[in-house]
Amino acid sequence: AQSVTQLGSHVSVSEGALVLLRCNYSSSVPPYLFWYVQYPNQGLQLLLKYTTGATLVKGINGFEAEFKKSETSFHLTKPSAHMSDAAEYFCAVSDRAAGNKLTFGGGTRVLVKP
Amino acid sequence: EPEVTQTPSHQVTQMGQEVILRCVPISNHLYFYWYRQILGQKVEFLVSFYNNEISEKSEIFDDQFSVERPDGSNFTLKIRSTKLEDSAMYFCASSAGSLETQYFGPGTRLLVL
Repeated sequence: AQSVTQLGSHVSVSEGALVLLRCNYSSSVPPYLFWYVQYPNQGLQLLLKYTTGATLVKGINGFEAEFKKSETSFHLTKPSAHMSDAAEYFCAVSDRAAGNKLTFGGGTRVLVKP
Repeated sequence: EPEVTQTPSHQVTQMGQEVILRCVPISNHLYFYWYRQILGQKVEFLVSFYNNEISEKSEIFDDQFSVERPDGSNFTLKIRSTKLEDSAMYFCASSAGSLETQYFGPGTRLLVL
């Protein structure tokens, strides 16, 4: 069975500082990996995804993530936090052998301080 | 930009009542999904649906749950006899292909009293 672990349920960063959200996964097959963001009272919006090819993936709003197979990680980063980045972030892995269902991590809520 | 919509945004119901949650997937998508998130817990997969059939379901998706695509645009989740533990945010998602990105709706918050 696949699983996703996000370290830290809450992260607080200062505006302009680096955002680093950690995600580790387990999967029996080469994974498809995703980061979704949820703003208050909204649905889950795709930030970026890794399927195959280049391991450094760039997404929307200046975010990027790097797939590291040896570490089974897919950490999300943004060099400089903006107030609008305050949201909850979810890492997910796709089970391509089971109807493409997504298995999510527990989420990390990001607070950006002025 | 096309988006997945869900109605209602909030629903309050009494234990034992039936509820139907509605979703309108993106129009050219063929794969549909329901997920739920109990407050304070992870987002969990419930069911995937393709070609008018369930393609995958989780152990949560027992006989109390059913899904239907009654027409060319709607995708519904029915809970026959709600329990207190069904209180959660329910998300609908759709994708163009089986391995394509899933796009999520804003969710329906269900409260069972």
